[in-house]
Amino acid sequence: DTGVSQNPRHKITKRGQNVTFRCDPISEHNRLYWYRQTLGQGPEFLTYFQNEAQLEKSRLLSDRFSAERPKGSFSTLEIQRTEQGDSAMYLCASSLSFGGAPDTQYFGPGTRLTVL
Amino acid sequence: KNQVEQSPQSLIILEGKNCTLQCNYTVSPFSNLRWYKQDTGRGPVSLTIMTFSENTKSNGRYTATLDADTKQSSLHITASQLSDSASYICVVSAEGGSYIPTFGRGTSLIVHP
Repeated sequence: DTGVSQNPRHKITKRGQNVTFRCDPISEHNRLYWYRQTLGQGPEFLTYFQNEAQLEKSRLLSDRFSAERPKGSFSTLEIQRTEQGDSAMYLCASSLSFGGAPDTQYFGPGTRLTVL
Repeated sequence: KNQVEQSPQSLIILEGKNCTLQCNYTVSPFSNLRWYKQDTGRGPVSLTIMTFSENTKSNGRYTATLDADTKQSSLHITASQLSDSASYICVVSAEGGSYIPTFGRGTSLIVHP
């Protein structure tokens, strides 16, 4: 499978615990995006990387959230001291971007987080 | 404040019928508008991307239109199929150095046999 993969697919945790999600983009895609989606809503942008550089962070990304893409390939999203409001589907997308043209983003299946 | 409003919120049609979904936005300055299809429990799939200079773009039975003057877009689905049942999401990005897209809440389409 050469698409975007995310692990784990489901995560149940207790409030206050830390969780980490992984995203493996399509090979050679230089951009990687993280989004969050709650039930019945459209996705919300969290952050994105161009290679290993984190270029944008949404105001939604509080201090408890951190994302990395250390070698410009896979990325991790960590949530510290989880809260019930963090329960959502966390989506990753990747794209191959040239210059300023809008890029086609390919989404992974998501990681569904439930905070008890 | 940048906003994207989609209508209707939900739609039920019979297989083989056509339908049109609407997207109104206040994002400024405009850069591009995307339509995605999202099946339940899965990630969105890109259908079309349009920039300011494009007013129509097709992808099979899906045709998107854009009126940048009135800040409106529509997604027309022709000869609907059961597999078209999904949520359709409109996303608008602003021009400038930063990429922070504004997502609509989506239109839930159900196609009945």
